[in-house]
Amino acid sequence: QVQLQESGPRLVKPSETLSLTCTVSGASITSGSSYWSWIRQPAGKGLQWIGRIYTSGRTNYNPSLMSRVTISVDTSKNQFSLELRAVTATDTAFYYCARVWRNGNGHFIGFDYWGQGILVTVSS
Amino acid sequence: QSVLTQTPSASGTPGQRVIISCSGSGSDFGNKYVYWYQQVPGTAPRLLIYRNEQRPSGVPDRFSGSKSGTSASLAISGLRSEDEADYHCAAWDSNLSGWVFGGGTKLTVL
Repeated sequence: QVQLQESGPRLVKPSETLSLTCTVSGASITSGSSYWSWIRQPAGKGLQWIGRIYTSGRTNYNPSLMSRVTISVDTSKNQFSLELRAVTATDTAFYYCARVWRNGNGHFIGFDYWGQGILVTVSS
Repeated sequence: QSVLTQTPSASGTPGQRVIISCSGSGSDFGNKYVYWYQQVPGTAPRLLIYRNEQRPSGVPDRFSGSKSGTSASLAISGLRSEDEADYHCAAWDSNLSGWVFGGGTKLTVL
């Protein structure tokens, strides 16, 4: 069974950097069929895709956050990470890590596994 | 850039059939696949439908998806109290090389 678990500080000061790690178990982060994403959700609001990383290290980011975001992977620990710089109160949200799987036909199956989410609050 | 629009709320009574819609903007939305997620309050989203109409294993056949032109729909038949949740549509935007989500629809079972 694939499991994802987010970890990191739950309180970040304005202008500082939010750093989260997603630990993957039950699947290899180097699988060529998997893309690993970060998604966030302000309380009571909709989902916002932040970005993704592929096993090769190739990344894609939401244009609205691109200037402040870095997603990286640590294959030795089967983890991937999120850094969001220069945070403000509007970055307060639940942050989820999730996997998109691509089947043998090259078709996206969607975000099939999610972490439980971690609430990060930006406040002084 | 595609924008996905959902009505903020929907409701139904137990046993009823409810349809939740997701409309897309952008000239190429007709070529995109739509995905649906269910999010029970306080939990992470769960994949319900992929590629417009496909159900992952474990998802009851009470849930069905369809797409026509610039609109996609999620139908829930035989509504149950446990279906009360937020429902999100999503699509891959190849121009952005990124995923876009609708604003979500809160379903209330009366």
